[in-house]
Amino acid sequence: DVKVTQSSRYLVKRTGEKVFLECVQDMDHENMFWYRQDPGLGLRLIYFSYDVKMKEKGDIPEGYSVSREKKERFSLILESASTNQTSMYLCASSLLAPPYEQYFGPGTRLTVT
Amino acid sequence: DQQVKQNSPSLSVQEGRISILNCDYTNSMFDYFLWYKKYPAEGPTFLISISSIKDKNEDGRFTVFLNKSAKHLSLHIVPSQPGVSAVYFCAASAKGGSEKLVFGKGTKLTVNP
Repeated sequence: DVKVTQSSRYLVKRTGEKVFLECVQDMDHENMFWYRQDPGLGLRLIYFSYDVKMKEKGDIPEGYSVSREKKERFSLILESASTNQTSMYLCASSLLAPPYEQYFGPGTRLTVT
Repeated sequence: DQQVKQNSPSLSVQEGRISILNCDYTNSMFDYFLWYKKYPAEGPTFLISISSIKDKNEDGRFTVFLNKSAKHLSLHIVPSQPGVSAVYFCAASAKGGSEKLVFGKGTKLTVNP
């Protein structure tokens, strides 16, 4: 079974703090993704990585950066957390083959106060 | 500009009946369609997919129908049981789309006993 793990289930941070969210997958998938989920807005792609050290902006990259130093690990960084970044953050990984099914981690509920 | 639309934010169904969740899309380059289920405080889990060259795919109690001319797909759940109450996301991938998925905003299905 594919397993995607995220470093924290719940996180509370203060405005202005630098926040790191870690994601690890154990299936040697090439692609990894970070989404945020907000009520009524569905899943919105923040960043995407298709290889080590390679990244591509998603739909809402502002205020975020990412790092992929190893194939199995993809980190999301909030440079200076703001209250509007309070959300559920979801990491996913996928193979290069159709239908490009993505496997998701359990999510991190981040609250910025 | 939503390429994948789930026009019903919520759906309520009686236990034992059929649940039908609908999804419309605008991009004719989409070649795979996927359905995900999401429980609160968990990551989405993959349910079923369909290639654009097919019009039906079945897996247990889940059947997905694709109408390419109408750019419409639907997920049928038979029979509906309280355990299938969740948010359902429709997603699509496009040829040459970097294996990214475009998600709809989701439909919350509630199955009433």
